[in-house]
Amino acid sequence: EPEVTQTPSHQVTQMGQEVILRCVPISNHLYFYWYRQILGQKVEFLVSFYNNEISEKSEIFDDQFSVERPDGSNFTLKIRSTKLEDSAMYFCASRIQGASTEAFFGQGTRLTVV
Amino acid sequence: KNEVEQSPQNLTAQEGEFITINCSYSVGISALHWLQQHPGGGIVSLFMLSSGKKKHGRLIATINIQEKHSSLHITASHPRDSAVYICAVSRETSGSRLTFGEGTQLTVNP
Repeated sequence: EPEVTQTPSHQVTQMGQEVILRCVPISNHLYFYWYRQILGQKVEFLVSFYNNEISEKSEIFDDQFSVERPDGSNFTLKIRSTKLEDSAMYFCASRIQGASTEAFFGQGTRLTVV
Repeated sequence: KNEVEQSPQNLTAQEGEFITINCSYSVGISALHWLQQHPGGGIVSLFMLSSGKKKHGRLIATINIQEKHSSLHITASHPRDSAVYICAVSRETSGSRLTFGEGTQLTVNP
């Protein structure tokens, strides 16, 4: 069965460093998302991406965040200068179409900022 | 107030029991999703509903659009069903992103 793949599964970084979280969505999917879950809290939307551009972003997704689809398969989330409060589980998701289709999630990247 | 509310927050059951988890939402939606999150953290989609009822194995999901309410039922529960169950909605006015509930932690004891 096709799946969304995220790497790395765990990342520890120093405050102020840049991190790139990587995702390979399901190959024929058109809509891509990043969500995050701070420990003990609910999952929160960060950004959606369609047709090679951001289609929607939350207030969390400020200037320190960026997304890219550098080639036909990868979808990346970059955090430019990490803060302690960026420590969370980051999930990539993809959908074949938009709101009327099932969402498929990756296993997540646990980011710890020290 | 959260747009998506789940109850209960925590649920402990004995193996074999019938389990119900409830989800209420306060916004117009295009679809409702039930998701499962295991202790390792990964999220798996169980159901996507826009009306009526869906069944997959021992899992049944129902939705009442007029009452803005959905339920997830697990029949003949098993310890391997222990996980966090999350209700999420695609809001009519917010593109295709999902808005999540807080989740229900289910523990099924043998």
